[in-house]
Amino acid sequence: GEDVEQSLFLSVREGDSSVINCTYTDSSSTYLYWYKQEPGAGLQLLTYIFSNMDMKQDQRLTVLLNKKDKHLSLRIADTQTGDSAIYFCAETPPGGATNKLIFGTGTLLAVQP
Amino acid sequence: DGGITQSPKYLFRKEGQNVTLSCEQNLNHDAMYWYRQDPGQGLRLIYYSQIVNDFQKGDIAEGYSVSREKKESFPLTVTSAQKNPTAFYLCASTDRGRTVYGYTFGSGTRLTVV
Repeated sequence: GEDVEQSLFLSVREGDSSVINCTYTDSSSTYLYWYKQEPGAGLQLLTYIFSNMDMKQDQRLTVLLNKKDKHLSLRIADTQTGDSAIYFCAETPPGGATNKLIFGTGTLLAVQP
Repeated sequence: DGGITQSPKYLFRKEGQNVTLSCEQNLNHDAMYWYRQDPGQGLRLIYYSQIVNDFQKGDIAEGYSVSREKKESFPLTVTSAQKNPTAFYLCASTDRGRTVYGYTFGSGTRLTVV
């Protein structure tokens, strides 16, 4: 199957850590991505992880990949009000001559001051 | 600066009208994509094109049409056959040889049927 699932909503207080979760179904996916969408705008690539990695850290962002459980997470440390947005995970399916990304449903992160 | 430009930002369509959404990129990317975004449903692929003069249907192509006469341009026409066209439309592009960097997105067009 090609379903990528995310919870719809997450609310955190400013300064706390946020953890956004994603479950994907194709264990052969080569790359997995996290995108951020601010209101009324397009998507911006935040970070990505290759499928042979377990973890990737980039400043306040930590990506964890559990291939056995097909679970991807994005942790944002010291969450700020500017982090309020919709976050999408995405995967590149294998055999990708088409290079099509498959996107999750998106998680709305609300940061309370 | 290189990027993708979508126009217009807001578009209003009357029942029975066809409308065309513009997408232009100056990134020299081969592949271009159109997505539709509805609340709570994520992004759904409408059409995509890997090279000039070629394009394929995505998951929800009915009621839409595209053309790819130039590498830089991938316009989307929303026809009167699309029964529920009100949505946010996103265009994206990528270099086919470098998918590891994901897609570059435009800023979107919000289409409303009045």
